[in-house]
Amino acid sequence: GAVVSQHPSWVICKSGTSVKIECRSLDFQATTMFWYRQFPKQSLMLMATSNEGSKATYEQGVEKDKFLINHASLTLSTLTVTSAHPEDSSFYICSASAGGQTVYGYTFGSGTRLTVV
Amino acid sequence: QKEVEQNSGPLSVPEGAIASLNCTYSDRVSQSFFWYRQYSGKSPELIMSIYSNGDKEDGRFTAQLNKASQYVSLLIRDSQPSDSATYLCAVKGTGNTGKLIFGQGTTLQVKP
Repeated sequence: GAVVSQHPSWVICKSGTSVKIECRSLDFQATTMFWYRQFPKQSLMLMATSNEGSKATYEQGVEKDKFLINHASLTLSTLTVTSAHPEDSSFYICSASAGGQTVYGYTFGSGTRLTVV
Repeated sequence: QKEVEQNSGPLSVPEGAIASLNCTYSDRVSQSFFWYRQYSGKSPELIMSIYSNGDKEDGRFTAQLNKASQYVSLLIRDSQPSDSATYLCAVKGTGNTGKLIFGQGTTLQVKP
């Protein structure tokens, strides 16, 4: 149980284009989803927290107009990187929470490797 | 001071030895602590969660928590080369969001 599916696993896009990443909870309802970014040899940095049906809460320094997050249902959240630039190239990972302190609370997707050329 | 601190390593141990990974955190009221393992190019996978002071064992892994010292550790017994990875300590934030705050990770190398 507690499977989170993330797509695509990798994507290459041209500078200036937008890329959408999907994160789905397959066997539980994700009341909260977290989006992280990880640069090589660095730890996970939280970008934003989203709750189903409400606006995402962005961490300090994260441009909300550039990284659009939608959490329209209890099983789906999307991150759209708008007008991507090479410095946005990174490993993006979602995490879904059903609340509480069980292992179901913090399940990670498999990640998306974004390369902007 | 970082909220969650780990020694980045690398920590090198011979196969069969005990690997000891350490983590300190700054928020005294934190209640939930997690250890994740991350292989290169992959997303983190949960190894252990611990909420109470003391030890929690699961197979070759033992998590230890000392809230008074704001310290959490992970012991890996009988280390195997397949244990070579980056180990991330995470602390659940005390706000309503429940977000995890990660340390920078410790790279473990188990040499055959």
